[in-house]
Amino acid sequence: SQQGEEDPQALSIQEGENATMNCSYKTSINNLQWYRQNSGRGLVHLILIRSNEREKHSGRLRVTLDTSKKSSSLLITASRAADTASYFCATPWGGSTLGRLYFGRGTQLTVWP
Amino acid sequence: DVKVTQSSRYLVKRTGEKVFLECVQDMDHENMFWYRQDPGLGLRLIYFSYDVKMKEKGDIPEGYSVSREKKERFSLILESASTNQTSMYLCASSLGRDRDNSPLHFGNGTRLTVT
Repeated sequence: SQQGEEDPQALSIQEGENATMNCSYKTSINNLQWYRQNSGRGLVHLILIRSNEREKHSGRLRVTLDTSKKSSSLLITASRAADTASYFCATPWGGSTLGRLYFGRGTQLTVWP
Repeated sequence: DVKVTQSSRYLVKRTGEKVFLECVQDMDHENMFWYRQDPGLGLRLIYFSYDVKMKEKGDIPEGYSVSREKKERFSLILESASTNQTSMYLCASSLGRDRDNSPLHFGNGTRLTVT
């Protein structure tokens, strides 16, 4: 399985602090994606990083990818209470070009005001 | 913005009933997916489709079927609902042209309870 696994399972921080979540996966990938899910809602795509990229930024989000270690990290800087959500990494299913993704179990982030 | 609409947010059905979960997307996406999400298990793929009338089994297709008669609509069918199918069901869609690099767009989910 190429399923990514996030670490930690839960993270609790104060507003203004940075939040770092990690994702490890098992086999070669051509991209890795991060998604966010607010409680009781669907997932929202945050950022996609390709295998030939090492770092990517989007607003307060910074994603890194280390293909040699088969790991990725998502950093949220200057976190806000509104960032409270579950965060998932997703990797394409190996050998397929049909767009299916494997999702990890997620990191539950709580940001306290 | 892409909109993926699931017909019901909450659904309560009895064991043995036939259940239809409907999903419609408005951005002419080729790919559509059905996932279920359970605490501790994350998202698991049930079925997906990359074209009208085409379907592919995901990781947990048992007890489910799907229908894609029109490009914008992808239906998940529980032929005979059972209590272990109580779950959050998430529909998603993505562009087909660059499939492996296309992000998924999700609906808000249907929370199904089977009693």
